[in-house]
Amino acid sequence: SQQGEEDPQALSIQEGENATMNCSYKTSINNLQWYRQNSGRGLVHLILIRSNEREKHSGRLRVTLDTSKKSSSLLITASRAADTASYFCATDLYFQGAQKLVFGQGTRLTINP
Amino acid sequence: GAVVSQHPSWVICKSGTSVKIECRSLDFQATTMFWYRQFPKQSLMLMATSNEGSKATYEQGVEKDKFLINHASLTLSTLTVTSAHPEDSSFYICSASAGVRANQPQHFGDGTRLSIL
Repeated sequence: SQQGEEDPQALSIQEGENATMNCSYKTSINNLQWYRQNSGRGLVHLILIRSNEREKHSGRLRVTLDTSKKSSSLLITASRAADTASYFCATDLYFQGAQKLVFGQGTRLTINP
Repeated sequence: GAVVSQHPSWVICKSGTSVKIECRSLDFQATTMFWYRQFPKQSLMLMATSNEGSKATYEQGVEKDKFLINHASLTLSTLTVTSAHPEDSSFYICSASAGVRANQPQHFGDGTRLSIL
């Protein structure tokens, strides 16, 4: 079953504004990751936040994690047209000694110039 | 670093054809590779996990005989869609990891768009 659920499914904002995407999950995790996917391309790893971390920054990206609510958010500040993409959260799932990533449904972000 | 190359990027073929997709880790040894399938505007669904030198582990509902996976070396895994039919048309993405321990990132290829006529 799909572990991550993202909200909103689609987001359209003006260039320069901030974009916030949310992710909820159901089971315990070791870490949560955020990925970006440009149309028709593979995924690019953005940031990983461990279960014992509450906030992490990378450039214009800010990720928060609330394990009590089983949720995470990705904030992109001062958005640019090049940020237009789909963003996925992924949680790790260990099964039979192997790690697997379970992806959320994604948020399609459109930055309007 | 951590570049994963996937080939071909796009393939169109007739129904009944078998199609092979390659996934290569260019600058690291990938002990584990993953194959995903993605339908338009949907998320990635894991198909199988392959470890170098051993048989792939398939997710529930994925036909082993339909999607043959080989991971013969630490830098190459292949996915062969056998006797492909139009319902197999999809975007297939591989990823590679240097291990399966916690916090070991997966590095993704650019995907292969498969269209079966």
